[in-house]
Amino acid sequence: DGGITQSPKYLFRKEGQNVTLSCEQNLNHDAMYWYRQDPGQGLRLIYYSQIVNDFQKGDIAEGYSVSREKKESFPLTVTSAQKNPTAFYLCASSITPPNNSPLHFGNGTRLTVT
Amino acid sequence: AQKVTQAQTEISVVEKEDVTLDCVYETRDTTYYLFWYKQPPSGELVFLIRRNSFDEQNEISGRYSWNFQKSTSSFNFTITASQVVDSAVYFCALSEANAGNNRKLIWGLGTSLAVNP
Repeated sequence: DGGITQSPKYLFRKEGQNVTLSCEQNLNHDAMYWYRQDPGQGLRLIYYSQIVNDFQKGDIAEGYSVSREKKESFPLTVTSAQKNPTAFYLCASSITPPNNSPLHFGNGTRLTVT
Repeated sequence: AQKVTQAQTEISVVEKEDVTLDCVYETRDTTYYLFWYKQPPSGELVFLIRRNSFDEQNEISGRYSWNFQKSTSSFNFTITASQVVDSAVYFCALSEANAGNNRKLIWGLGTSLAVNP
């Protein structure tokens, strides 16, 4: 079964620590995305990648970093520079940029930083 | 500027009632795409429908139907005979075809639907 796997489902970190969220897809999709979801704020785009070894900042990239060394993988690092990292993080992929095809989402990672 | 408005933050219905979720969008582009996604309590967003701006035909899929009206810039979603499993947050989204390299979806804030037994 093809899909997107995000791990872990829940993640707890102390303030000041960097943390990396995993996202793996076996759908053979070129494009991958990271979204942040906060209560009452909908989805906000952090980073996206349309092809291996290339990625672009989204609307709220500050305090985050990504890499795209393999087509299947798009890990997100939440750095200590991110002021409010506690949130629900969703990874997604698509065949082409989103205006042509729907996004496929993972189950999300809920990050809590104390 | 592009914008998607889902004015209903929360809706609560009793099972078997029909319910309509509103979506109003703003765009200056003549070519665009509209989407609906469902987010159940498990967290994963599930794609429901995509509609391009040149296709104003309404669509029906089982108990789900969508009414696209360019004259009012609306793309409303109706669930007929709602069921408890329909309880979720529903998102409407807009994508402009000519957004260049920075293509991205514009999301509404979502409507939380609770279907009570």
